[in-house]
Amino acid sequence: GENVEQHPSTLSVQEGDSAVIKCTYSDSASNYFPWYKQELGKRPQLIIDIRSNVGEKKDQRIAVTLNKTAKHFSLHITETQPEDSAVYFCAASDNSGSSTLTFGKGTMLLVS
Amino acid sequence: EAGVTQSPTHLIKTRGQQATLRCSPISGHTSVYWYQQALGLGLQFLLWYDEGEERNRGNFPPRFSGRQFPNYSSELNVNALELEDSALYLCASSLLMGGATKKQFFGPGTRLTVL
Repeated sequence: GENVEQHPSTLSVQEGDSAVIKCTYSDSASNYFPWYKQELGKRPQLIIDIRSNVGEKKDQRIAVTLNKTAKHFSLHITETQPEDSAVYFCAASDNSGSSTLTFGKGTMLLVS
Repeated sequence: EAGVTQSPTHLIKTRGQQATLRCSPISGHTSVYWYQQALGLGLQFLLWYDEGEERNRGNFPPRFSGRQFPNYSSELNVNALELEDSALYLCASSLLMGGATKKQFFGPGTRLTVL
């Protein structure tokens, strides 16, 4: 089955700096890669996703890049703000029709 | 538009008991997914229901089961509770159309504590 590795587990940045979180996946059939943000005590919120037919997607200060050959994808947050502090999860899903997501273990981002 | 709802918010049980958790999907969504979020382990896929049928299950023992009702709401049942079942149980819903994986939206979760 699919295996998703996420790094780093904790990331501390100064307000205004950029943050990058990286994930690798094992199943070459995976073709959908969402990112979720979970603030303390709240539900995971979908913040951006990408499908394997594109290499990059941007939404304001957030961008995701995908390298299918290397089987890794990354979340980039620019001009970080204190409200960006949360746990971020990457996930991967294949196109077998199962629609189930395999998640990374999360990255705690601290913006101070 | 109302989001995914779950009940109860918190549930405290003792070892060996049964727990029932409930989920109502976003209106119009036909798929419901259950995930277990234990401390430090991220989100682990439990079960997927669509159109009333179990479509897939994760690597969990058979004492984790559930069902989906005609109105697409869902129940997760955990029998013979063990201490390690203590976790946040999250439900997500999506609209399954065609073959492409659809966005999943999460509920607030049920915090299950097994004593």
